[in-house]
Amino acid sequence: EAQVTQNPRYLITVTGKKLTVTCSQNMNHEYMSWYRQDPGLGLRQIYYSMNVEVTDKGDVPEGYKVSRKEKRNFPLILESPSPNQTSLYFCASSSRPSYSGNTIYFGEGSWLTVV
Amino acid sequence: AQSVSQHNHHVILSEAASLELGCNYSYGGTVNLFWYVQYPGQHLQLLLKYFSGDPLVKGIKGFEAEFIKSKFSFNLRKPSVQWSDTAEYFCAVRKATDKLIFGTGTRLQVFP
Repeated sequence: EAQVTQNPRYLITVTGKKLTVTCSQNMNHEYMSWYRQDPGLGLRQIYYSMNVEVTDKGDVPEGYKVSRKEKRNFPLILESPSPNQTSLYFCASSSRPSYSGNTIYFGEGSWLTVV
Repeated sequence: AQSVSQHNHHVILSEAASLELGCNYSYGGTVNLFWYVQYPGQHLQLLLKYFSGDPLVKGIKGFEAEFIKSKFSFNLRKPSVQWSDTAEYFCAVRKATDKLIFGTGTRLQVFP
């Protein structure tokens, strides 16, 4: 079954304590990305990756890091979380090129609260 | 600035009423268009998508959308909503760079 798996699904952490949200897909997709969802702002892209070792900033990259050492994994790293990073995070993946009608698959979301 | 606009932020309907949610985008060139739904406490689900061909696209659960290129619009419609359609709806546009850009969402509440 095609899946994008995020962990943890729910996390409450304290300001400044480094955390990683993992994302893994089993579809051999080249393209992966991270979004955050905030009320009234929709989903905004944080980082994306076109393939292994190729990452780039999205619209709201400040305070986040990513890595793409393997095709299936695309972890989101918060080196020093702050309360304004409290949000719902989604990982997504798709195969390329995008214009062949490829479906974008989303993970189930990770609720992160920073206190 | 390039953007995806959903002008209806919150829509309240009674069951059996008809629904139309607006979506406009400001990107030139070829785009792919999507509508996603997010039920309370759940993740995003694809309702329908447009890549090419017939501009009237039918999706799951009785939803459809019409791509009007001249108006840069991709409005979502359903002739008769149900209580179970209560959710947040997101329009999204994907450009050739693969980036998927979302609108700010429309919250739909349907009352029995």
